Amino acid sequence: DTAVSQTPKYLVTQMGNDKSIKCEQNLGHDTMYWYKQDSKKFLKIMFSYNNKELIINETVPNRFSPKSPDKAHLNLHINSLELGDSAVYFCASSQRTGNGEQYFGPGTRLTVT
Amino acid sequence: QKEVEQNSGPLSVPEGAIASLNCTYSDRVSQSFFWYRQYSGKSPELIMSIYSNGDKEDGRFTAQLNKASQYVSLLIRDSQPSDSATYLCAVNRDTGGFKTIFGAGTRLFVKA
Repeated sequence: DTAVSQTPKYLVTQMGNDKSIKCEQNLGHDTMYWYKQDSKKFLKIMFSYNNKELIINETVPNRFSPKSPDKAHLNLHINSLELGDSAVYFCASSQRTGNGEQYFGPGTRLTVT
Repeated sequence: QKEVEQNSGPLSVPEGAIASLNCTYSDRVSQSFFWYRQYSGKSPELIMSIYSNGDKEDGRFTAQLNKASQYVSLLIRDSQPSDSATYLCAVNRDTGGFKTIFGAGTRLFVKA
């Protein structure tokens, strides 16, 4: 019955590697998001997709590339990982764009060594 | 000035008391307002949304919005130790694509 799921839950990798995080929602929502929560717990939006179309792309290094194969899935690929990428990444969804009532996945804790 | 400001806390209240959490926002065109609760090591969970000035009550929670003062608050009545968490204020606005801005959160500790 998981509404928003993410895999993997934990990811430990070395600098320079490439990794992906997957997200799926079964709520029938149109809009999906990626957020980054740093060590100070500040939650910041990275990307937003509405029905597979990119609608928000914050100032994020182009090493980060989101992909939405359909409106239920939003994946995040990160190239050439850096120490500063270590954080918890949350996927979220909402019924439509502009709806701030968002449902979050469990998060992926990324540690870059 | 941060777009959404909260006192980081910790705010400590005894069990059964009212916890009052406050949030101010800088952009007057902000349109909708939310409170999320985040337990340590868990994801944010929506607990209240408010769209117009005044109070909105849901169980032990009351959200208050004053757009003129650019102020949102959350009151938790009869606080329980299980309410101990970080509370995130979030503000939604249209920037040519709706964006939700989160505050840094206030840590609440309810003492048994």
